[in-house]
Amino acid sequence: DGGITQSPKYLFRKEGQNVTLSCEQNLNHDAMYWYRQDPGQGLRLIYYSQIVNDFQKGDIAEGYSVSREKKESFPLTVTSAQKNPTAFYLCASSRGDQPQHFGDGTRLSIL
Amino acid sequence: GNSVTQMEGPVTLSEEAFLTINCTYTATGYPSLFWYVQYPGEGLQLLLKATKADDKGSNKGFEATYRKETTSFHLEKGSVQVSDSAVYFCALMNSGGSNYKLTFGKGTLLTVNP
Repeated sequence: DGGITQSPKYLFRKEGQNVTLSCEQNLNHDAMYWYRQDPGQGLRLIYYSQIVNDFQKGDIAEGYSVSREKKESFPLTVTSAQKNPTAFYLCASSRGDQPQHFGDGTRLSIL
Repeated sequence: GNSVTQMEGPVTLSEEAFLTINCTYTATGYPSLFWYVQYPGEGLQLLLKATKADDKGSNKGFEATYRKETTSFHLEKGSVQVSDSAVYFCALMNSGGSNYKLTFGKGTLLTVNP
């Protein structure tokens, strides 16, 4: 079955450490997105990519970085500059104006 | 800019009760509108959509009608079940050129008791 796979499901970060969240899709979608979800705040867009080797900042990009070297993959790095990284991170993909498909998320916590 | 406002939760209902979750939006042009559902510990699933005024989206007994005159897209279900307990998100997509970003409401937690 086609879909979006996020890993790991749970991730812990130590102070000063960078961590990378994986997102892979086999839907042949051109566009991919990263969202952050906090209780009571809905989803906020971190970064998005409409095509390989290109990406744009979303509304809350500070402290995060991404790459898009392959169509199927859009990893998100949470850097030590992100002072409040504890959240649920969701990856999504889409084709053109069709609805976005979401992965099952990664929950990041601070040790 | 674009924005979505949905009713604050939590909403608690008994099984077989009628459900309404209000959603209003602000956008330029003619956005597409969506309802997504999130079950505990999972990602979002598309519940229904509408792409133009007066369209009615429907799925699994849920319905929502795209009302341009009131800029609304309220979610309704005639008889909820315990399995409908989840967080519901209203969202809009306004294409800016080739950019199809979604703008989400804050979500409404629904709990259905037996």
